[in-house]
Amino acid sequence: QSVLTQPPSVSAAPGQKVTISCSGSSSNIGNNYVSWYQQLPGTAPKLLIYENNKRPSGIPDRFSGSKSGTSATLGITGLQTGDEADYYCGTWDSSLSVWVFGGGTKLTVL
Amino acid sequence: EVQLVQSGAEVKKPGESLKISCKGSGYSFTSYWIGWVRQMPGKGLEWMGIIYPGDSDTRYSPSFQGQVTISADKSISTAYLQWSSLKASDTAMYYCARLHGGNSGFDYWGQGTLVTVSS
Repeated sequence: QSVLTQPPSVSAAPGQKVTISCSGSSSNIGNNYVSWYQQLPGTAPKLLIYENNKRPSGIPDRFSGSKSGTSATLGITGLQTGDEADYYCGTWDSSLSVWVFGGGTKLTVL
Repeated sequence: EVQLVQSGAEVKKPGESLKISCKGSGYSFTSYWIGWVRQMPGKGLEWMGIIYPGDSDTRYSPSFQGQVTISADKSISTAYLQWSSLKASDTAMYYCARLHGGNSGFDYWGQGTLVTVSS
């Protein structure tokens, strides 16, 4: 059982928008930055969003992040078949003194 | 260009020891924390621990404390993850990743090292 809770799967049609939620607590999301990672099949994770809502260079603005209280959300617009992947949220947990990841969400672009 | 290049896949027997590596390049290796992340087959990401190569300050997840050792050799810009006695349950993909400033996120990842432990 992960400290951060994500839906196991989400799906949407090409061109549509999808959001992936990440729920935590005051010891993690509530008081620390959230980051999001995309893991395409058979590859290493890739940073999509850092410090809650910032995109690294090269990440298209179709990807966005937000945080409110103890929850965070990843948004993806203009879905493409190439976006099919597992998505993970991550943050530091100040009480446990560990970095924690969500259980991951599998995105299917129908 | 920032790169983290990990050592190749390993096949070991239970009880054997192992040390895998992660070589950084394209940045000041001593100025960023390097973390290790386990991904068991078909499962999610688990943070194992982290090291600051500048002074070798190391932190472990309680789940992995005593099970693995994280180290670094700053003279060759390389971080390590080692086991003294492998178990079948250590079979997994292991990633190293650079922490981007504070706890803002892991911005660069190695390609992964697959460790298979089987008799």
